[in-house]
Amino acid sequence: DGGITQSPKYLFRKEGQNVTLSCEQNLNHDAMYWYRQDPGQGLRLIYYSQIVNDFQKGDIAEGYSVSREKKESFPLTVTSAQKNPTAFYLCASSSHLGQYFGPGTRLTVT
Amino acid sequence: QQQVKQSPQSLIVQKGGISIINCAYENTAFDYFPWYQQFPGKGPALLIAIRPDVSEKKEGRFTISFNKSAKQFSLHIMDSQPGDSATYFCAASSAREYGNKLVFGAGTILRVKS
Repeated sequence: DGGITQSPKYLFRKEGQNVTLSCEQNLNHDAMYWYRQDPGQGLRLIYYSQIVNDFQKGDIAEGYSVSREKKESFPLTVTSAQKNPTAFYLCASSSHLGQYFGPGTRLTVT
Repeated sequence: QQQVKQSPQSLIVQKGGISIINCAYENTAFDYFPWYQQFPGKGPALLIAIRPDVSEKKEGRFTISFNKSAKQFSLHIMDSQPGDSATYFCAASSAREYGNKLVFGAGTILRVKS
């Protein structure tokens, strides 16, 4: 059963805490992406990675960090430096056939 | 240069009608134009995509029309159904740019009335 999994579906954290969102894919895709979606808005690119051990900043990377130690995994850490972290976070991977999204993680920071 | 402008912001269509969503771009290097469908609380799902070598692509009730000279593309949903009620995003990318990053439109909320 191939696909992209994100966990957990809902995540609650206190302000000032770092939190790591998981993204795993078994599609054998080289490229992976993290997006942020705010209510009523489009998708904004946070980080992306074309190959293992390499990643690039997207449009809104400040306050976030990533790693790509394995092809299948691309975790995103939301640090305490992110001023407004409450959002819906989407992970995606892509091949020549297109870019495919995971189910998302809704992060709430209070 | 990198923007994709999507309209309308929201759309209400009667069941059985045609839903039309439009997108415009500036970057002539864009060579891949997908459409995504997103239901509340879910990740976007790739619906249909087109490349500039064709002017139209049809998959079931969904059709993309592409006008390269006008730098515009649109999604047509024929015989719209209440189950089509969702948010639709257009996007564009260029194989020439590292990362093949998608640039997304702001989205259109479609409601199909039964």
